[in-house]
Amino acid sequence: GNSVTQMEGPVTLSEEAFLTINCTYTATGYPSLFWYVQYPGEGLQLLLKATKADDKGSNKGFEATYRKETTSFHLEKGSVQVSDSAVYFCALKGSGGSYIPTFGRGTSLIVHP
Amino acid sequence: DAGITQSPRHKVTETGTPVTLRCHQTENHRYMYWYRQDPGHGLRLIHYSYGVKDTDKGEVSDGYSVSRSKTEDFLLTLESATSSQTSVYFCAISAFDSTYEQYFGPGTRLTVT
Repeated sequence: GNSVTQMEGPVTLSEEAFLTINCTYTATGYPSLFWYVQYPGEGLQLLLKATKADDKGSNKGFEATYRKETTSFHLEKGSVQVSDSAVYFCALKGSGGSYIPTFGRGTSLIVHP
Repeated sequence: DAGITQSPRHKVTETGTPVTLRCHQTENHRYMYWYRQDPGHGLRLIHYSYGVKDTDKGEVSDGYSVSRSKTEDFLLTLESATSSQTSVYFCAISAFDSTYEQYFGPGTRLTVT
């Protein structure tokens, strides 16, 4: 079956530091890949997505590139802000008729001023 | 923002009582999902719906039932609440398209005493 593995958190950074949150996946075919963000006390929000190999999703300064050869979709941001403190979830939607996504466990990011 | 509301937002109930949580959408999306979120477990799918009156079980469906009599409403019922069902419950929706990206509600915090 499909699976998503994310790096364990929390990730603690100072403001303006570079962020990488690793995500690797197992799936057959060509899944769609997503990053969701959950701010404290809220539901998850779609942050970015990529639907085919070598696609780069980007939003709010965050980027992730769909790497089929390494089955990875790592999230990056060049300069984090305190307001980026949240939990980040990597997810995939399998190819074919599946409409049930598979989520990673989530990675907590804490950014200090 | 996708139009998804959940009610109630907070509830405290006693062991053994039935509880119903409501998810309401204004997007006319075909698919609806109920998840629970617990520390150390990430998001776990309880039940989902692929149309009016069409529902199926997720990975943690024991002790829960659902109903969908209208496109816009998806109800989650805890038939006899137990302390292990203390959690934050999220509803999500997705459209019938190639990526099935999800939009989440704000969550319901349920405490079973």
